[in-house]
Amino acid sequence: AQSVTQLDSHVSVSEGTPVLLRCNYSSSYSPSLFWYVQHPNKGLQLLLKYTSAATLVKGINGFEAEFKKSETSFHLTKPSAHMSDAAEYFCVVRDINTGTASKLTFGTGTRLQVTL
Amino acid sequence: NAGVTQTPKFRILKIGQSMTLQCTQDMNHNYMYWYRQDPGMGLKLIYYSVGAGITDKGEVPNGYNVSRSTTEDFPLRLELAAPSQTSVYFCASSRAQGAPDTQYFGPGTRLTVL
Repeated sequence: AQSVTQLDSHVSVSEGTPVLLRCNYSSSYSPSLFWYVQHPNKGLQLLLKYTSAATLVKGINGFEAEFKKSETSFHLTKPSAHMSDAAEYFCVVRDINTGTASKLTFGTGTRLQVTL
Repeated sequence: NAGVTQTPKFRILKIGQSMTLQCTQDMNHNYMYWYRQDPGMGLKLIYYSVGAGITDKGEVPNGYNVSRSTTEDFPLRLELAAPSQTSVYFCASSRAQGAPDTQYFGPGTRLTVL
């Protein structure tokens, strides 16, 4: 069975400082990993995804994540936070071997607050 | 190309009432999904479909029904609404071929059962 643990429910950073949102996963097979962002009262938008190619994945809006198999981690980072980054972020895992449907397991989310 | 659309955006139901949440996608995706999101939680899969005429249960299917008569539409039916079904409901779709197939989400329907 697959699972995802987002280690922080809430992260607060100052504008212009680095962002680190932590995610650990558990998977029986080679996983696919995603980060989605949800702005208030909006649907989810894909930030980036790991597809077993390059371990450092670059996404939209300057975000990137590094897949570390030895640490079973997929932390999301951004060098410099912007006020518009304030949102809820979800780490998501998909087992490659779950059959034809793309069954995703979501973490509980990390709320990112960006202050002036 | 509107992507995934959901209606209504908001709804308040009384206990025991029924309703259908509509979901339509115009990306010709074979796979469609329904999730619910409770406060402070991630999304949980209710039902999914791998193509027209084919549906299957997800993690939390009790109290819901779905149908998939066309590729575009995947309505979610609540027959006897209960307060436990108060949640935000998201519909999503993805392509059939290739992995991992990115899921595209609609804007959500906020449902309150009183």
